[in-house]
Amino acid sequence: EVQLLESGGGLVQPGGSLRLSCAASGFTFSNYAMSWVRQAPGKGLEWVSAISSSGGSTYFVDSVKGRFTISRDNSKNTLYLQMNSLRAEDTAVYYCAKAATGVAAIDYWGQGTQVTVSS
Amino acid sequence: QTVVTQEPSFSVSPGGTVTLTCGLSSGSVSTSYYPSWYQQTPGQAPRTLIYNTNTRSSGVPDRFSGSILGNKAALTITGAQADDESDYYCVLYMGSGISVFGGGTKLTVL
Repeated sequence: EVQLLESGGGLVQPGGSLRLSCAASGFTFSNYAMSWVRQAPGKGLEWVSAISSSGGSTYFVDSVKGRFTISRDNSKNTLYLQMNSLRAEDTAVYYCAKAATGVAAIDYWGQGTQVTVSS
Repeated sequence: QTVVTQEPSFSVSPGGTVTLTCGLSSGSVSTSYYPSWYQQTPGQAPRTLIYNTNTRSSGVPDRFSGSILGNKAALTITGAQADDESDYYCVLYMGSGISVFGGGTKLTVL
């Protein structure tokens, strides 16, 4: 059974940093691209970032470029999202997601972790 | 900037059929956009229904189907049930690793 368990969310002041983690199990982690998707309170889903299966290619939505970094440790079956220079508009539930094929299609989702940016 | 469009809301009668669409503010959706569809109920994580236009995710009943209709991607639900009342999101792959979600459709079953 595929399981994705996010951690690392919390309350942070504007300008601060957080690192989210996603522990994966139930599939061969190193064979699949992974993504982060967020959902602000009362809003829709927003694709944030993706990383190839090897970690050699990374992709970001324009609003987080230069502030967020995505990485993975295939030996630990873990995905990361390093978030720096956080803004109030980054407040959201952040979901870890597994790609079905390539980087485009998600087939499994984690339960999400809440990130709140506020003073 | 390209916007992915969805109907803000839709309603269907129990047992009925409904087709939700996913378009582009400029241009036509094709299989090259690898359209996917997700269902979300309040307070829950999304659930994948369809990816790569028409591939049903594991465990998804066959009354959910995906297709390209005209210049849009489409999600058709046949034999609608009360627990299909949810928000439905599509996502399109724009190339270069970038995906964009639509704004979502709130489906009411009544």
